[in-house]
Amino acid sequence: AQSVTQLGSHVSVSEGALVLLRCNYSSSVPPYLFWYVQYPNQGLQLLLKYTTGATLVKGINGFEAEFKKSETSFHLTKPSAHMSDAAEYFCAVSEGAGFKTIFGAGTRLFVKA
Amino acid sequence: DSGVTQTPKHLITATGQRVTLRCSPRSGDLSVYWYQQSLDQGLQFLIQYYNGEERAKGNILERFSAQQFPDLHSELNLSSLELGDSALYFCASSVAEGSSYNEQFFGPGTRLTVL
Repeated sequence: AQSVTQLGSHVSVSEGALVLLRCNYSSSVPPYLFWYVQYPNQGLQLLLKYTTGATLVKGINGFEAEFKKSETSFHLTKPSAHMSDAAEYFCAVSEGAGFKTIFGAGTRLFVKA
Repeated sequence: DSGVTQTPKHLITATGQRVTLRCSPRSGDLSVYWYQQSLDQGLQFLIQYYNGEERAKGNILERFSAQQFPDLHSELNLSSLELGDSALYFCASSVAEGSSYNEQFFGPGTRLTVL
C-alpha cells in the first residue's frame, strides 16, 4: 500500500532563505509523485510532478524536487523564499494513472520578512 | 482557474440535515474525486468516480454518498449532519485512464458549516 510522510507540519524560513520541505513515500511499484500548493481559501494546485525520466523536476514559481529512489524521498526545494510562497504544501503519491492518489498531511510554510 | 467548478461556495446548515454539494469537472476529464479537509484531520480522500462508475473509496462515512452523472458532473450527498462534518469539501478531476499520469485539478471547495 502507498503512503506519504511529510516531515514537519510547520516550517518557518526568512525571506531569501532556502526552502526545504521533506517528503518520504512508500510504494510497491514505481510511483508517480506530486507536490501541490494550497494558498489560503483556495483549492490545491499542482506545483510539479515526477512520473518517469529525469529525477530532478522543475515546477512553477522556482520550486524543484528530486526523486531519490534509494531514499524513497521527494523533497521540495526553492533557493530563495518569497513572502508569496507562504502556503500549505502537500506531497502526494500515486501508483499510476487511474489509481487513487494518497496525500501527505501537509506542511505549512511561513516566510518571515 | 483550474476549470473545476463547485457549488455552493458556502453552506450553513443544522445538525441532522442533509445537503448536496455539486461539482463540474474540467472539460474532457472523466474522473472526479471528493476530499474533505478539516483542521484536525487534514485532507482526507473520500471517493473517486470514473465515467459514472465508482472507482475507489476512501474514508467516506456511510452517511455520505456520491454519484457521477452521464454528463460527468458529480454530487456529494451528506446526510444526518453532525457538528464534526463541518469542513471544506473539495472536488478534483483528472483524465485518469488514457493519461500518462494522475494529475488532479482541484475546485475552489465548498465550505460546510454545521450548527
